[in-house]
Amino acid sequence: DGGITQSPKYLFRKEGQNVTLSCEQNLNHDAMYWYRQDPGQGLRLIYYSQIVNDFQKGDIAEGYSVSREKKESFPLTVTSAQKNPTAFYLCASSMVGGGNQPQHFGDGTRLSIL
Amino acid sequence: GQQLNQSPQSMFIQEGEDVSMNCTSSSIFNTWLWYKQDPGEGPVLLIALYKAGELTSNGRLTAQFGITRKDSFLNISASIPSDVGIYFCAGQSPFGNEKLTFGTGTRLTIIP
Repeated sequence: DGGITQSPKYLFRKEGQNVTLSCEQNLNHDAMYWYRQDPGQGLRLIYYSQIVNDFQKGDIAEGYSVSREKKESFPLTVTSAQKNPTAFYLCASSMVGGGNQPQHFGDGTRLSIL
Repeated sequence: GQQLNQSPQSMFIQEGEDVSMNCTSSSIFNTWLWYKQDPGEGPVLLIALYKAGELTSNGRLTAQFGITRKDSFLNISASIPSDVGIYFCAGQSPFGNEKLTFGTGTRLTIIP
């Protein structure tokens, strides 16, 4: 089945530790996105990439890093510099062009601090 | 970053009632999208709107793209228990990239 796969579903981080969240899509979409969702709030954009080997910061990029070495993969690293990492992280993808390509989401990774 | 003004924040209704929610923005958008999110899952696309004034239905759901391009509404008719969840609107800017701006969500609860 075509779709977006995020792993793991749940992740725990110790203080001072970097962790990486995986996002893979087999929809042949050009663009991929990472969002953070806090309880009772909407989605905030962390990073996005419209093409392989290129990515841009979103609204809350501090403390996060990404890479886009392959079209189908867009991993997110939550670094120790992110002081409040506990949240629900969502990955999305879309085609690019025309401003009318809706984003489709994975099922999310919930990150908690030990 | 900008967030859309989505209202109401929460709704408590009885099964069978109709539901209406809306989003407004100070900026114009090319595209309006409506998503539903169940607990612990990612948002699922319900309806996409691409033209000002467009009215689109998907089963019991109807959404409209406002004439001013700064607002959109979503109606759900004859609500059923599986309609419970959080509904998000999202707007896509006409100025280049595919970035979305999301509303803060409307939490729908159905009272037995």
